[in-house]
Amino acid sequence: GNSVTQMEGPVTLSEEAFLTINCTYTATGYPSLFWYVQYPGEGLQLLLKATKADDKGSNKGFEATYRKETTSFHLEKGSVQVSDSAVYFCALTFSSPGTGFQKLVFGTGTRLLVSP
Amino acid sequence: NAGVTQTPKFQVLKTGQSMTLQCAQDMNHEYMSWYRQDPGMGLRLIHYSVGAGITDQGEVPNGYNVSRSTTEDFPLRLLSAAPSQTSVYFCASSSGTGYYSNQPQHFGDGTRLSIL
Repeated sequence: GNSVTQMEGPVTLSEEAFLTINCTYTATGYPSLFWYVQYPGEGLQLLLKATKADDKGSNKGFEATYRKETTSFHLEKGSVQVSDSAVYFCALTFSSPGTGFQKLVFGTGTRLLVSP
Repeated sequence: NAGVTQTPKFQVLKTGQSMTLQCAQDMNHEYMSWYRQDPGMGLRLIHYSVGAGITDQGEVPNGYNVSRSTTEDFPLRLLSAAPSQTSVYFCASSSGTGYYSNQPQHFGDGTRLSIL
């Protein structure tokens, strides 16, 4: 089946530290991969995406590369800010047979806490 | 920019009561879906719709009903609430630009539901 595994949190960092949040996946076929971010009291927002192997998604200083050989999509940022404190979800999509609806499969989420 | 609007934001119910969680989007998106978010489990798909009059079950559909009479609205009904349905519920929408579309989903801010 299709599944996503993320590193356990919380991840606690000081401002300007380097961030890595690991994500690996299991999927049949060729899924698209996403990182979503959830700020306190809010819904999920798309952070970045990659649709095929070796694609690099990037946004707001965050990057992730679709690695088919290691089935990974690790999230990185070179210098985190306090405002990056949130829960980060790795996800993949696969098409529902017949309708083509893109079903999202989420990891369990990783909470990031950045202190000044 | 309203996006996806969910009401109510908070609700407390007694076991056996019924209620409807409302979801509306103003982006003319074909696809809409409901997820529940539970600690340590990420988000799980309850039901989804690929257009007015068309709905299908997701990963955890039991105890929930949906209908889609208009493009804009996708209510989620709990017919007889149970404590196991205590969760945070998110509605999402996305555009369907054809089969294997990988357009990102836009999420509402969630409804926090407690069943006593």
